[in-house]
This record gives sequence, structure tokens and C-alpha cells, in this order.
Amino acid sequence: EVQLVESGGGLVQPGGSLRLSCAASGFTFESYWMNWVRQAPGKGLEWVANIKQDGSEQYYVDSVKGRFTIARDNAKSALHLQMNSLRTEDTAVYYCARSLFNYGSGIFRYWGQGTLVTVSS
Amino acid sequence: DIQMTQSPSSLSASVGDRVTITCQATHHISNYLNWYQQKPRKAPKLLIYDVSNLETGVPSRFSGSGSGTHFTFTITSLQPEDIATYYCQQYDDLPYTFGQGTKVEIK
Repeated sequence: EVQLVESGGGLVQPGGSLRLSCAASGFTFESYWMNWVRQAPGKGLEWVANIKQDGSEQYYVDSVKGRFTIARDNAKSALHLQMNSLRTEDTAVYYCARSLFNYGSGIFRYWGQGTLVTVSS
Repeated sequence: DIQMTQSPSSLSASVGDRVTITCQATHHISNYLNWYQQKPRKAPKLLIYDVSNLETGVPSRFSGSGSGTHFTFTITSLQPEDIATYYCQQYDDLPYTFGQGTKVEIK
């Protein structure tokens, strides 16, 4: 059974940093693109970033470029999101998501339960 | 960026009704269009991918159609458990983008 379990969320002040993690199990982690998707309170879904199977390519939504870094550790089946220079508008539940197929990235079949990041003073 | 516009933003229908949600893209996105269902305080669930492919285990009352820039999601007979917010999403180009969501309620 595919499982994705996020951790690392919490309350942080504007300008601060936080590192999210996603522990994956039940599938061959190194075979899939992985994604982060977020949802601000009461708002819709926003794709944040993704990373290729071997970590050689990463892509970001413009609003987080230069502040967030997605990374993966295939040996540990773990996905990370390093978030720096956090802003109040980054407040959201952050989901880790795996694509349906092991080619391409854009069909989000498996999701974690999400971890809440609150940026506030 | 490709903008996805869903309509309506919300709807109220009776059990057994046919429900239709539309999604319009600002650019041609071929068939790279998915639909998700999200219930309160839960992660989204993939229902339909590539316009019309029903994800395994999803009831056949859900369906999708369309091409190019205009897409439709249909529930042929609304059930109480279908109360949720539905999102379309394109993955033709980065950044992947979602519609703003359609909240479906029971009348």
C-alpha cells in the first residue's frame, strides 16, 4: 500500500525557515517524480514544486522560486521541502503527492495527509 | 501560466440529479486535464485523469469530457457522499495549475 506521511510543519515567524519531510513507502520511490502541493486555509490547491526521479531536475511555482528548495533522498525514500524567507502568504497545508505513472509528473494519484505551516508573528 | 477557470463556484442539487461542472483553460492543453474531489479536512482524491479516464475504484457515475481548452465533469446521479469540492487541474505545462474549485452541496 502506498503511503506518504508528511512532517515538519508548525508555526514560524515571517522571514523564518522550515523544512518539511515526506516519508514514502509501499512503492519504488526512486521510480517516480514527486510533488509538493499546498492549500491555504479556505482556499484552493496550488502546485508548489516537483523533482525528477534522480533529483536532477526541479521545478517551482514562481512565488517560491529562490526561497524554497525541493530535494529527495532515494536511499531513505524521503522527500523534503526546505522553505526559507517564509511569508504570511505561505501559510497553508502542504501535501506531498506522487504521480500516477512512473513517467511524467502531473497526475497526482497519491497524497499524504498534509502538514500545516503557519507563518505569523 | 495557464489559468483554469471553473464554473460554477458552487452549486446545490438534489440527490439523483445530474451535476455538470465546466473548466476552461487559457491555452490549449491537449488532454492533460485531471479532476479531483476533496472532502473537508481531507487530501484531494484523483477521480479522472487525461480528460476522461476514470481512476480505479471510482464510481461510474463520474465522467469527464472535452478537449483543447474546454472541459466538462459530470456526476450522472448525485449521491450524498459526493458532497465535496471538485477541482480541475492541467499538467500540459509548468506550473501545473488548478481551477478555483466547485463546491457541491445537497439541496
